[in-house]
Amino acid sequence: QVQLQESGPGLVKPSETLSLTCAVSGYSISSGYYWGWVRQHPGKGLEWIGTIFHRGNTYYNPSLKSRVTISVDTSKNQFSLKLSSVTAADTAVYYCARHNMIWGVIGDYWGQGTLVSVSS
Amino acid sequence: DIQMTQSPSTLSASVGDRVTITCRASQSISTWLAWYQQKPGKAPKLLIYKASTLESGVPSRFSGSGSGTEFTLTISSLQPDDFATYYCQHYSSYSWTFGQGTNVESK
Repeated sequence: QVQLQESGPGLVKPSETLSLTCAVSGYSISSGYYWGWVRQHPGKGLEWIGTIFHRGNTYYNPSLKSRVTISVDTSKNQFSLKLSSVTAADTAVYYCARHNMIWGVIGDYWGQGTLVSVSS
Repeated sequence: DIQMTQSPSTLSASVGDRVTITCRASQSISTWLAWYQQKPGKAPKLLIYKASTLESGVPSRFSGSGSGTEFTLTISSLQPDDFATYYCQHYSSYSWTFGQGTNVESK
């Protein structure tokens, strides 16, 4: 059974960098699939942040591209999100997910999500 | 960019009702459309992909249809567990877009 688990600070100061990691179990990232991040502002809808392939190919939402970096560590079977220069508008629940490109699906498996608040 | 518009934003229904949610794309997207169910405090759950294919384990009362620019998610007989928010999602060229969501609430 594929499982994803987000981890990282729940509180980040304005102007600093948000850093989250998604640990994957039950499937080797190196075996394929694309992996990515989705966020949800409190009480709002879902927003794609970015995507990575195990070879390091990355794709980002144009609205966030200048501040986002997604990386992968196949030795630890995990991938990470960095979002720089955060403001209160980046307060959200952050989900990691496995994409299924054949189906065009952003998430056939999801982490449970982690709330990140931006506040001084 | 392709915009996805769901309607209605909120739907009030009773157990046993037939429920239909619509998702419209700003341009043709063939059948590159998925539907998710999300409950409060939980991650989205995949229901349907490629517009009409039911994900494994999803009850058969859920169905999807459509192609091009107009798509529907239908729940044939609403069950207590189905009160939730539903999102459509489009994929194109390494980019994903969601509809704004439809909250199905108890009448």
